Amino acid sequence: AQSVTQLGSHVSVSEGALVLLRCNYSSSVPPYLFWYVQYPNQGLQLLLKYTSAATLVKGINGFEAEFKKSETSFHLTKPSAHMSDAAEYFCAVSYNAGNMLTFGGGTRLMVKP
Amino acid sequence: DGGITQSPKYLFRKEGQNVTLSCEQNLNHDAMYWYRQDPGQGLRLIYYSQIVNDFQKGDIAEGYSVSREKKESFPLTVTSAQKNPTAFYLCASKTSGASGANVLTFGAGSRLTVL
Repeated sequence: AQSVTQLGSHVSVSEGALVLLRCNYSSSVPPYLFWYVQYPNQGLQLLLKYTSAATLVKGINGFEAEFKKSETSFHLTKPSAHMSDAAEYFCAVSYNAGNMLTFGGGTRLMVKP
Repeated sequence: DGGITQSPKYLFRKEGQNVTLSCEQNLNHDAMYWYRQDPGQGLRLIYYSQIVNDFQKGDIAEGYSVSREKKESFPLTVTSAQKNPTAFYLCASKTSGASGANVLTFGAGSRLTVL
């Protein structure tokens, strides 16, 4: 069964600091990987996706993620945090285009002024 | 603009009552999903439907029911059999096949509170 683990349910950074949100997946085949963002009392919005093209994926709002097969990881980064980045972030995995998505438990990002 | 509309945004229910959450999409997507979100537990799949008049149970279907009579609509009924229904409910959809690359589009959610 596919699974995804997000390390750290809460991450706090200062405004302007590096954002690093961790995601590891279990897989025996190349996966599709996604990061979604959720602002309070809203639905999820796609940040970026990896579908076996370039290993470094750029998304919206300055975020990017790198697929590392050897580490089974897909960590999300942003060089400089902004107050508007405060939200919950979900990593998700599936193993083919028609397969169900499995979501991680989410990481709440807090940005301090 | 195309998207997914969930209603109501907030709903209060007394114990023992059934409630129905609406989900409508104008994206012409084939597949639709219902997720439940609880703090610290991520998203858990309740039901999904890949075509009209067909649906399958997800991981936590007990106490819930759905219908898919139209492509655009996938209502979720939370029945009195659901022991702990207070949660945030999210509806999502996606196109079928490889062209969609499994990208889900989400509605804004419905928050159900049992009094």
